[in-house]
Amino acid sequence: DARVTQTPRHKVTEMGQEVTMRCQPILGHNTVFWYRQTMMQGLELLAYFRNRAPLDDSGMPKDRFSAEMPDATLATLKIQPSEPRDSAVYFCASGLPGQGNIQYFGAGTRLSVL
Amino acid sequence: SQQGEEDPQALSIQEGENATMNCSYKTSINNLQWYRQNSGRGLVHLILIRSNEREKHSGRLRVTLDTSKKSSSLLITASRAADTASYFCAHTGDQTGANNLFFGTGTRLTVIP
Repeated sequence: DARVTQTPRHKVTEMGQEVTMRCQPILGHNTVFWYRQTMMQGLELLAYFRNRAPLDDSGMPKDRFSAEMPDATLATLKIQPSEPRDSAVYFCASGLPGQGNIQYFGAGTRLSVL
Repeated sequence: SQQGEEDPQALSIQEGENATMNCSYKTSINNLQWYRQNSGRGLVHLILIRSNEREKHSGRLRVTLDTSKKSSSLLITASRAADTASYFCAHTGDQTGANNLFFGTGTRLTVIP
């Protein structure tokens, strides 16, 4: 059963600490997306990659957030330093452009910054 | 912003009734999709309708698309308690070759047993 895997599922950290979230896209998918979901802002696109190259990271605060794809099977989203306003659920999704841009979501990482 | 908007924000119905959710968007599109999100879970793709289609069915789901009005609707017939979830529309943008989707604000559906 192909699925997008995100780790960790939950993360509680203190303000100022570094947070790294990981995502394993579905094997063969060449587009990867990072989203943040909060009650106030809804679902926000932070960044997306195609063939491991970043295509759009305009939704991401550049001073503290960074997103990378070290290889085709791993995408990372890092926050350094973290702040309480970063508390949210972070989702990773992957897809194949030839499939109408359908996206397959992971279960998310629930981040709480105290 | 190219984010779509959904209406209503929340909907509560009795099991067996039909549920209709609406979505509006602002740009030209290649396709429009609907996703479901159960509480505490990721979004799951339900159905895709292309810009040259007007209606599409999948099981108890019926989606319509009116590109002249830049709107879509999702109808769930004979609702069940298990349909309780948030429903999001998402559309491709107007940039050629872009792969990202613009998600709406979602409709929270509660089906009362």
